[in-house]
Amino acid sequence: DTGVSQDPRHKITKRGQNVTFRCDPISEHNRLYWYRQTLGQGPEFLTYFQNEAQLEKSRLLSDRFSAERPKGSFSTLEIQRTEQGDSAMYLCASTRATGTGSSPLHFGNGTRLTVT
Amino acid sequence: QKEVEQDPGPLSVPEGAIVSLNCTYSNSAFQYFMWYRQYSRKGPELLMYTYSSGNKEDGRFTAQVDKSSKYISLFIRDSQPSDSATYLCAMSPHNQAGTALIFGKGTTLSVSS
Repeated sequence: DTGVSQDPRHKITKRGQNVTFRCDPISEHNRLYWYRQTLGQGPEFLTYFQNEAQLEKSRLLSDRFSAERPKGSFSTLEIQRTEQGDSAMYLCASTRATGTGSSPLHFGNGTRLTVT
Repeated sequence: QKEVEQDPGPLSVPEGAIVSLNCTYSNSAFQYFMWYRQYSRKGPELLMYTYSSGNKEDGRFTAQVDKSSKYISLFIRDSQPSDSATYLCAMSPHNQAGTALIFGKGTTLSVSS
């Protein structure tokens, strides 16, 4: 178990630029989640995948956000035309889900995005 | 009223103290309760995972759930400086994790030696 890996750890970008983050989940985990955490707040759900299928998206996920998990392994989260309000920690988590339930989420250390 | 309320602190205690961290919630459908610990600039790390009401103990940590009062607690015995972190409660109405997992804001704990 090598844990959930996220890259990069920190990204600084100018308003209007596009950014992409990568998440590598724990290898045997079939579910992958993206959360966003702002200062002084708990993580908020953005979207999740079961294998390669994106099953749910939060209304927090505007049209500028897109996530993929093309082969059911790693995932990418892209933000187009970044705004200062996008500055946050973007957390990836994974779990193994079966028909009867799932284990608790295991989080990565996040990508901290700063939009200037 | 938010679904999950958690006092952000900060909470400062001396080494060796017993720490009590709490969350209240409003959604009676919540059945699965978790506590995560988050160090600065790191992701949340699962500490405790409980189902329904009752107590669960793991080393120096004890989680309590009182569904009748919609109140959960995490107790830390013999607190150590390494326990200094933000503690997040999280809860869900079912054990399918993620989608309906709601977090509190987190309580920042500082343990001084």
